[in-house]
Amino acid sequence: QSALTQPPSASGSPGQSVTISCTGTSSDVGGNSYVSWYQQHPGKAPKLMIYEVTKRPSGVPDRFSGSRSGNTASLTVSGLQADDEADYYCSSYATSIILFGTGTKVTVL
Amino acid sequence: QVQLQESGPGLVRPSDTLSLTCAVSGYSISTSDWWGWIRQPPGEGLEWIGYIHYSARTYYNPSLKSRITMSIDTSKNQFSLKLSSVTAVDTAVYYCIKKGPISTYFDIWGRGTLVTVSS
Repeated sequence: QSALTQPPSASGSPGQSVTISCTGTSSDVGGNSYVSWYQQHPGKAPKLMIYEVTKRPSGVPDRFSGSRSGNTASLTVSGLQADDEADYYCSSYATSIILFGTGTKVTVL
Repeated sequence: QVQLQESGPGLVRPSDTLSLTCAVSGYSISTSDWWGWIRQPPGEGLEWIGYIHYSARTYYNPSLKSRITMSIDTSKNQFSLKLSSVTAVDTAVYYCIKKGPISTYFDIWGRGTLVTVSS
């Protein structure tokens, strides 16, 4: 099983929106509801931002939203803030394995 | 508040066994949740290693399965990872995690511990 594909980088100015894609196959991203997203600041542990494609854990701002179309999931960050600058990873269940995406570095310009 | 704390040697010799323990505080390990490990080589992405239930059921990454042993100690409220025959490619930050009973998202992470494989 290969890692899920994410763009290496994305950027936006404060207040703008940025969308990160996560492309897999019908055996993972497109085949179940177990897609999640994690935010990781340098030197820190990842933090759960979205689970089961669209759900937000308690405490995560509603500026973060998830969606899916076919075999591609997306994370949108609206109203970009300086603290949103981080690496973002998607994750999906596939038969007998949990896959992660290649990671996207979001820069706030 | 659930907290996870990894512990173990920061340096392991090639061909030896890497051993890590994760202490769980603020929450009982004897629930329907699963407990596991994820690693991240320096400057690289995340890799799922596996997870274990208090009943001792396990799920391992097929690419590592032959070298992994996970165990759980409910009396100490902690769980452990052993990875045998390590090489330099096993050098990574190892995170212990908590997963819910059904879904596959990881809602609680430890701070992570860097394990370097080197002679």
